[in-house]
Amino acid sequence: DAGVIQSPRHEVTEMGQEVTLRCKPISGHNSLFWYRQTMMRGLELLIYFNNNVPIDDSGMPEDRFSAKMPNASFSTLKIQPSEPRDSAVYFCASKKGRTVNSPLHFGNGTRLTVT
Amino acid sequence: TQLLEQSPQFLSIQEGENLTVYCNSSSVFSSLQWYRQEPGEGPVLLVTVVTGGEVKKLKRLTFQFGDARKDSSLHITAAQPGDTGLYLCAGLTYNNNDMRFGAGTRLTVKP
Repeated sequence: DAGVIQSPRHEVTEMGQEVTLRCKPISGHNSLFWYRQTMMRGLELLIYFNNNVPIDDSGMPEDRFSAKMPNASFSTLKIQPSEPRDSAVYFCASKKGRTVNSPLHFGNGTRLTVT
Repeated sequence: TQLLEQSPQFLSIQEGENLTVYCNSSSVFSSLQWYRQEPGEGPVLLVTVVTGGEVKKLKRLTFQFGDARKDSSLHITAAQPGDTGLYLCAGLTYNNNDMRFGAGTRLTVKP
């Protein structure tokens, strides 16, 4: 079984550039989550979707961040313009159903460095 | 401030020792999960606890959910170098379908 697939694995960009992170959830999973992980703040929830609909984006830092899920098998997280403080590892996770026992399945993350 | 506070933040022990890490919150959760994360990878689920007071065992790991469903602990018996990693707790609130994570406990087990 293919797990959650994220691309790219690493992204290095200059301040001010647009960055697009991509995620393919596990087939059949109906919830998708974007997290950001740093040493200082740990794993922060940015936004999550149920059945391709954004449910809660209160964790998105500011208007420079946007996320879309055009269909059940693809999501993007875009940062425009990027800033050095956006440097972090960004994780996508998916899960099936809304039961309390449903596990989150994480991708291996995208390590973003903004110089 | 974190919704879930984990302690200690760092823990370095010798192989064979026992340890306990904690996950505390002022919020009540419908369930709580523990994940382990290794470098360069995403977190992987270890266990889910659902009932207040519940205890679950996974080989040398024992997980407990507090009676009030606000806190949890993870106890490892006779730690091994393979237990090294970042241990994260995550809570599912009653009102939302999202999972909120603590900052984690970074465990190092020295041979």
